[in-house]
Amino acid sequence: AAGVIQSPRHLIKEKRETATLKCYPIPRHDTVYWYQQGPGQDPQFLISFYEKMQSDKGSIPDRFSAQQFSDYHSELNMSSLELGDSALYFCASSTSWGASTYEQYFGPGTRLTVT
Amino acid sequence: SQQGEEDPQALSIQEGENATMNCSYKTSINNLQWYRQNSGRGLVHLILIRSNEREKHSGRLRVTLDTSKKSSSLLITASRAADTASYFCATTDSWGKFQFGAGTQVVVTP
Repeated sequence: AAGVIQSPRHLIKEKRETATLKCYPIPRHDTVYWYQQGPGQDPQFLISFYEKMQSDKGSIPDRFSAQQFSDYHSELNMSSLELGDSALYFCASSTSWGASTYEQYFGPGTRLTVT
Repeated sequence: SQQGEEDPQALSIQEGENATMNCSYKTSINNLQWYRQNSGRGLVHLILIRSNEREKHSGRLRVTLDTSKKSSSLLITASRAADTASYFCATTDSWGKFQFGAGTQVVVTP
């Protein structure tokens, strides 16, 4: 079965650079979520989109922005990168249709290292 | 403190033993899910239990949910070295808001 795809899987950037992470949800999933997981920490919710509109916002820095496109894929744009942005970034998708479970399916993550 | 707090934070057991970890939460939930994460790797969905369910089994996993106490437990029976990982609970409320707990790090030694 198709899963959530994230690209790139690994990314190394320098301080003050910009990074773009991509997420391709499971087909027919209309909701995408982004999480950040620092070393030894639990995943922290950043932002979510439903039908291309932002549906919820968590602890996303102002330097970060995200959007969901017409094909439901999503991109997380990170500017003025800081050392503390080094983390594993997960994307998850779910379907809201008849949503009684809101089960989220997670991608493998993108490991961002800022040097 | 956050939704989905877990205890213990770390658990060390030997192969063949059972591992039990607990998760407590604060708000009303629609469902609760358990995930496993190997070091630095992706999150693997283990099991989902709905708010109207009390117990669920999947292979060597047994999950209970007590909505009156706002708590859940994950039991891994006959543990194996391959079960070494961090285990997270995550809750979803009726609005679809999803939140992870802090995780329990389980080490199973041969």
